[in-house]
Amino acid sequence: EAGVTQFPSHSVIEKGQTVTLRCDPISGHDNLYWYRRVMGKEIKFLLHFVKESKQDESGMPNNRFLAERTGGTYSTLKVQPAELEDSGVYFCASSHARNYGYTFGSGTRLTVV
Amino acid sequence: SQKIEQNSEALNIQEGKTATLTCNYTNYSPAYLQWYRQDPGRGPVFLLLIRENEKEKRKERLKVTFDTTLKQSLFHITASQPADSATYLCALGGSARQLTFGSGTQLTVLP
Repeated sequence: EAGVTQFPSHSVIEKGQTVTLRCDPISGHDNLYWYRRVMGKEIKFLLHFVKESKQDESGMPNNRFLAERTGGTYSTLKVQPAELEDSGVYFCASSHARNYGYTFGSGTRLTVV
Repeated sequence: SQKIEQNSEALNIQEGKTATLTCNYTNYSPAYLQWYRQDPGRGPVFLLLIRENEKEKRKERLKVTFDTTLKQSLFHITASQPADSATYLCALGGSARQLTFGSGTQLTVLP
């Protein structure tokens, strides 16, 4: 089966610009997660979808971040406007159920300059 | 606040030996604990999940223990190989809590 796909793999944008990250989960996985690792820190939770619904978005840093999951399939994470502290690696993961192992994508490395 | 600590940022061992990685946590009562492997430039790869009512789990050369009294998990790789060199992450989860990751231990298996 195909894994979790993230696009783009790298993105360099200027402060104030907008960036949209995309994640295609494993087909049939209702649970989709976004995580982020900023330089030198642990991987931190951002939000969790169950199908097209946001189950938990307690990890979203602020209202500059907007996540959507169209029709319960792929998901996008938009950062608008981007700030320097948004730089990091954004991971998407999907799972069959909450207490199963997650399958992660390779991540999108975002650099805001 | 909850805290997860993984032993020493880096661990070097000789090929063929058993690597033991530690994950300690405080202010948390996880329903399960997961171990992941991460290689440079890649996302974490799921290895094992152990639930709070399980003491030990095995998968090939991997073994995980979970002691909820000590609030500790041990991750063992027996007969280690240079290909096992990677960063290993522990992550705690629960029915009402999202998966929380430790900072990881970088393992290097020397030939």
